[in-house]
Amino acid sequence: KAGVTQTPRYLIKTRGQQVTLSCSPISGHRSVSWYQQTPGQGLQFLFEYFSETQRNKGNFPGRFSGRQFSNSRSEMNVSTLELGDSALYLCASSLGKGSVGYNEQFFGPGTRLTVL
Amino acid sequence: AQSVTQPDIHITVSEGASLELRCNYSYGATPYLFWYVQSPGQGLQLLLKYFSGDTLVQGIKGFEAEFKRSQSSFNLRKPSVHWSDAAEYFCAVDPTDSWGKLQFGAGTQVVVTP
Repeated sequence: KAGVTQTPRYLIKTRGQQVTLSCSPISGHRSVSWYQQTPGQGLQFLFEYFSETQRNKGNFPGRFSGRQFSNSRSEMNVSTLELGDSALYLCASSLGKGSVGYNEQFFGPGTRLTVL
Repeated sequence: AQSVTQPDIHITVSEGASLELRCNYSYGATPYLFWYVQSPGQGLQLLLKYFSGDTLVQGIKGFEAEFKRSQSSFNLRKPSVHWSDAAEYFCAVDPTDSWGKLQFGAGTQVVVTP
């Protein structure tokens, strides 16, 4: 079974631009979570989607948004980029519902975003 | 406040020696517990998990972890470290009242020397 895929793997943008990152979950997984990883703040939860609905959101400004499609693929968008948005953005998928183990999350390789 | 603590930022261990990484959590109820490993430039790989039942859990790559409710700990161990175990290790918690949100510790960087 294919793992979680994220595109693109690397991205360079300038301040003020916007960016869209994509995540394809493991087949059959309906929940997708997004995380930001930086050396200073570590791994921080951005938001989670299940069946096209955002169920949970972390403490990030409104510039960070996401969505999920009917095939469970997800995108996250960051508008008006700031230097501090430079980070590794990780996507994780899970079954999202069901028996024990439903919330076991499997991570993609991440998208490395650099804001200049 | 809810938190996950990994007291050791950096650990150096000789190849063949044993390894123990500490993790403590602070939550009202016993959460779901995980250990992940991250190699440079890579995503996170799940090593093992604890949901309930036997407090000693076995994972991949020869790792095991022990859940101790009285100490709110979930320490990761490996009896004999290989050079390929050099990586960063993260303890993570999924509170039982959360949707899809893992809270991570700060991570422990493991260096393996010959």
